[in-house]
Amino acid sequence: EAAVTQSPRNKVAVTGGKVTLSCNQTNNHNNMYWYRQDTGHGLRLIHYSYGAGSTEKGDIPDGYKASRPSQENFSLILELATPSQTSVYFCASGDPGNQDTQYFGPGTRLLVL
Amino acid sequence: GEKVEQHESTLSVREGDSAVINCTYTDTASSYFPWYKQEAGKGLHFVIDIRSNVDRKQSQRLIVLLDKKAKRFSLHITATQPEDSAIYFCAATNSAGNKLTFGIGTRVLVRP
Repeated sequence: EAAVTQSPRNKVAVTGGKVTLSCNQTNNHNNMYWYRQDTGHGLRLIHYSYGAGSTEKGDIPDGYKASRPSQENFSLILELATPSQTSVYFCASGDPGNQDTQYFGPGTRLLVL
Repeated sequence: GEKVEQHESTLSVREGDSAVINCTYTDTASSYFPWYKQEAGKGLHFVIDIRSNVDRKQSQRLIVLLDKKAKRFSLHITATQPEDSAIYFCAATNSAGNKLTFGIGTRVLVRP
């Protein structure tokens, strides 16, 4: 099965600080995604990527940047963290040419104080 | 854009009974509908999907039904077992097929 890992698994940050969440996938999928999960909202798409060097805005990109330096790695960057960004963040990878199924990482729990 | 509504926020069923989760979507061009399971403290795990060229799909105890006219799809968990207790998410692709929109999740509790 596809393997998606995330680091860190837990993070406490201060308001105004910079936070970088990392994601790595070993299944050679072209597409990667960042979501946040909040009670009452399900999963919402922040940014996604079609391959190395590509980043696209999802449904809620404000306050977030993304970076895809390689096929395997996709980072989510909060330049100026705010308490409203306290959430659980999930990374996923998928190959739309092969069943469209997305494979998720274990999540990163972020608390912004 | 696509909107997916998941109608049951919680379901409590007795072990051995069936659980049914219903979702509706808005984009008539959506063609792919996966379901995911999330156990406590973990990420989402793919369980079953259905494409718009069929109206029923079964994988062991899981059945997915799709009604394109009503823009409705449902997950049936038959002969439920304690390990089926989890949060289940439905999702649908957008018309371009490159993004998934998720429902808010249904917490299923299987009682002994």
